[in-house]
Amino acid sequence: AQTVTQSQPEMSVQEAETVTLSCTYDTSESDYYLFWYKQPPSRQMILVIRQEAYKQQNATENRFSVNFQKAAKSFSLKISDSQLGDAAMYFCAYRSAVASGGGADGLTFGKGTHLIIQP
Amino acid sequence: DARVTQTPRDKVTEMGQEVTMRCQPILGHNTVFWYRQTMMQGLELLAYFRNRAPLDDSGMPKDRFSAEMPDATLATLKIQPSEPRDSAVYFCASGGDGPSVSEQFFGPGTRLTVL
Repeated sequence: AQTVTQSQPEMSVQEAETVTLSCTYDTSESDYYLFWYKQPPSRQMILVIRQEAYKQQNATENRFSVNFQKAAKSFSLKISDSQLGDAAMYFCAYRSAVASGGGADGLTFGKGTHLIIQP
Repeated sequence: DARVTQTPRDKVTEMGQEVTMRCQPILGHNTVFWYRQTMMQGLELLAYFRNRAPLDDSGMPKDRFSAEMPDATLATLKIQPSEPRDSAVYFCASGGDGPSVSEQFFGPGTRLTVL
């Protein structure tokens, strides 16, 4: 079974600064997807960014980028120019690329990192 | 603006009562997931369906939980009888066909409180 670990329960950053959230995972599969989800106090789960394991290039979405290290099984999220609206819980998630049932299509989540933005 | 809808948004009930949560997936999505979020366990997959057929419900307590898809526009998660330890936020998510369509779209969740 796959596991996802987020070792930072809480992070704090000054507005306009850059912050990096850590995520490591464990899997024996070679093909999979990785995601970062944002959950603000409204509790809506919002997809921030996704990475396909077969792609060497790191994904970017505006101020959000990832550092994907497949050999190290590491998938960190960098938020540049932090804004007050970025304050939320951030979850790292894993999904197998093999759609064979047995939960393969479900997401495995880390415990989350609470990001605080200091004005 | 296509989105997953869930009802009710919040539910408070007493131990022993039956609880039914409903989900309307995005039109055209053929995979529906149920997740549960608690402080202690985080987000866990309970069950999921593809083309209305249950593919995996290994994350769900079988004795009191049941999940169904009566039709393509409705998924239900039922707890009978409910217990205080079932208090959590229950999310429904839907996704398109095939492993290459990786994104899952989440509903707003149902916050269940069992007294």
